[in-house]
Amino acid sequence: ETGVTQSPTHLIKTRGQQVTLRCSSQSGHNTVSWYQQALGQGPQFIFQYYREEENGRGNFPPRFSGLQFPNYSSELNVNALELDDSALYLCASSLDGTSGGGGTDTQYFGPGTRLTVL
Amino acid sequence: AQSVTQLDSQVPVFEEAPVELRCNYSSSVSVYLFWYVQYPNQGLQLLLKYLSGSTLVKGINGFEAEFNKSQTSFHLRKPSVHISDTAEYFCAVSMNRDDKIIFGKGTRLHILP
Repeated sequence: ETGVTQSPTHLIKTRGQQVTLRCSSQSGHNTVSWYQQALGQGPQFIFQYYREEENGRGNFPPRFSGLQFPNYSSELNVNALELDDSALYLCASSLDGTSGGGGTDTQYFGPGTRLTVL
Repeated sequence: AQSVTQLDSQVPVFEEAPVELRCNYSSSVSVYLFWYVQYPNQGLQLLLKYLSGSTLVKGINGFEAEFNKSQTSFHLRKPSVHISDTAEYFCAVSMNRDDKIIFGKGTRLHILP
């Protein structure tokens, strides 16, 4: 158990809808990263939040957005859902997301939210 | 840009036999290297990581990996597998300790009885 929790575990939406996924970081961690894992693929980096600010973004369109709260929990929002958004969404928490932060060196992953878009 | 290539999408191996899962990476700068395991319907769990120092890294569950800079490889090995090792294994790289992680496509390990 990593101490990172995600909700909900499963979600079904229809094309065009909006969705919010939630992540609770491991105690003491101030950085959260989100990944999308399509079926049969490795996870792909969406973005990272460090102390409530976006701290890096992968190759995902603006309809993927996020928030990090003062307690370091986080949300991933996806607008105008498309069929290809169906995937397992993973969040990972760590300490000190900036380069050279001397943090824990490891990202701890939650169990994921499986999103199905019909 | 960094990339990770896992050369085998599936590896079947008999129980108690040794296994090697291959991983090659490309990067123009020094990287950190990781192996993660994903059991069915679960998230990712870190097996081991290479940040610096000794090129032979020991991880959990009896796994180890060797960093080879000249061959840009980071192959994962276990001398004797068990049925409980059935899972998907991901090799990954990052530039900084908490930077985004670039994952390979994964290798599915099938343990045969």
